[in-house]
Amino acid sequence: AQSVTQLDSHVSVSEGTPVLLRCNYSSSYSPSLFWYVQHPNKGLQLLLKYTSAATLVKGINGFEAEFKKSETSFHLTKPSAHMSDAAEYFCVVSERTGFQKLVFGTGTRLLVSP
Amino acid sequence: GAGVSQSPRYKVAKRGQDVALRCDPISGHVSLFWYQQALGQGPEFLTYFQNEAQLDKSGLPSDRFFAERPEGSVSTLKIQRTQQEDSAVYLCASSLARVGAGEQYFGPGTRLTVT
Repeated sequence: AQSVTQLDSHVSVSEGTPVLLRCNYSSSYSPSLFWYVQHPNKGLQLLLKYTSAATLVKGINGFEAEFKKSETSFHLTKPSAHMSDAAEYFCVVSERTGFQKLVFGTGTRLLVSP
Repeated sequence: GAGVSQSPRYKVAKRGQDVALRCDPISGHVSLFWYQQALGQGPEFLTYFQNEAQLDKSGLPSDRFFAERPEGSVSTLKIQRTQQEDSAVYLCASSLARVGAGEQYFGPGTRLTVT
């Protein structure tokens, strides 16, 4: 069985400061890992994904995440927060083979203050 | 091009009523998924279609939930005899890929409120 744990339900940062959203995963197989963002009243959007290539993954809007197998972690970072980054972020795991059933974490709400 | 669309966007049903939620995937996308997102939670998998074949329905919470995709395009999620615990946002996603880590494109969801 696969699961993800998002360690913070809320993260507050000031505009221009770094963002760190933490995620730990559990998987019996070599996983695919994703970060999705959900803005209010909008659909989920893929930020980035890790399959089996480089462990440091770059995504859209300046976000990146590093796959660390030894720590079973896939934390999301951004060097400098922007007001428009305020949203709900989901860490997601799926099996690398077979059809891609996504298993979501409970989400982290990112608050960005001026 | 057009993304995944869902209708209605909002649905209020009285307990015991049947509802039907529609999903229009991106044209040509083989795979279609339904997820249920309760308030304050992450989405949870309900069911998966590859073209018209329903290959996994392990996430459907009860036999009151039924999904179909008869022509391999539009899909409908039907909930019979709705209960208050069915209140949630129902998300549809489609993907070009049959297997592997193809990107899933999500619709805006249908918010179902059962009173």
